[in-house]
Amino acid sequence: TQLLEQSPQFLSIQEGENLTVYCNSSSVFSSLQWYRQEPGEGPVLLVTVVTGGEVKKLKRLTFQFGDARKDSSLHITAAQPGDTGLYLCAGVGRGSTLGRLYFGRGTQLTVWP
Amino acid sequence: DAGITQSPRYKITETGRQVTLMCHQTWSHSYMFWYRQDLGHGLRLIYYSAAADITDKGEVPDGYVVSRSKTENFPLTLESATRSQTSVYFCASIPSRDRGNHANIQYFGAGTRLSVL
Repeated sequence: TQLLEQSPQFLSIQEGENLTVYCNSSSVFSSLQWYRQEPGEGPVLLVTVVTGGEVKKLKRLTFQFGDARKDSSLHITAAQPGDTGLYLCAGVGRGSTLGRLYFGRGTQLTVWP
Repeated sequence: DAGITQSPRYKITETGRQVTLMCHQTWSHSYMFWYRQDLGHGLRLIYYSAAADITDKGEVPDGYVVSRSKTENFPLTLESATRSQTSVYFCASIPSRDRGNHANIQYFGAGTRLSVL
């Protein structure tokens, strides 16, 4: 059972377009993280969102955490070829599972010049 | 600052053989994790460890064994490799001080690509 559902699984767009990746769950998490992974490397943390309704911006990337702390979205404005990679969302467990990460399946983004 | 290193980076083995994947971190982080990454499944937790000599099962522990005799090392052993264990394996760690707060940044190694023939 996948706790976190990510969509879309694949995204192929032209440079300059905008895109949104969604991460949904029926579970509440302590916080939610977004990672980016490039071929041959491990995931690298982009951002952590903690508070329901929180919005964080990282240059052209905007991250939102749902009010109920169950879902999140990643919006990229004016995508560039350098944004190409696998984007993973991960929920941080609560209570006895605090510290454990529950990953979505990932969104493979390709941005064409 | 070497960080977290995994070895080997690539491994080919045969069904039934025992194989050990190594993970070494230089930060003295308390918590360490082993994941496998497969197409269509994302990252799934195999085992994790809160400290030396303390380990616990994750989502998919069957067929794997771990040990943690030293804080810096967390080897993962496939006792009798099967084709279904062909995957990319990632080791990660977090400092103990971060486990209880919302930073909880996991630092990942570069991965080991394992093929079981």
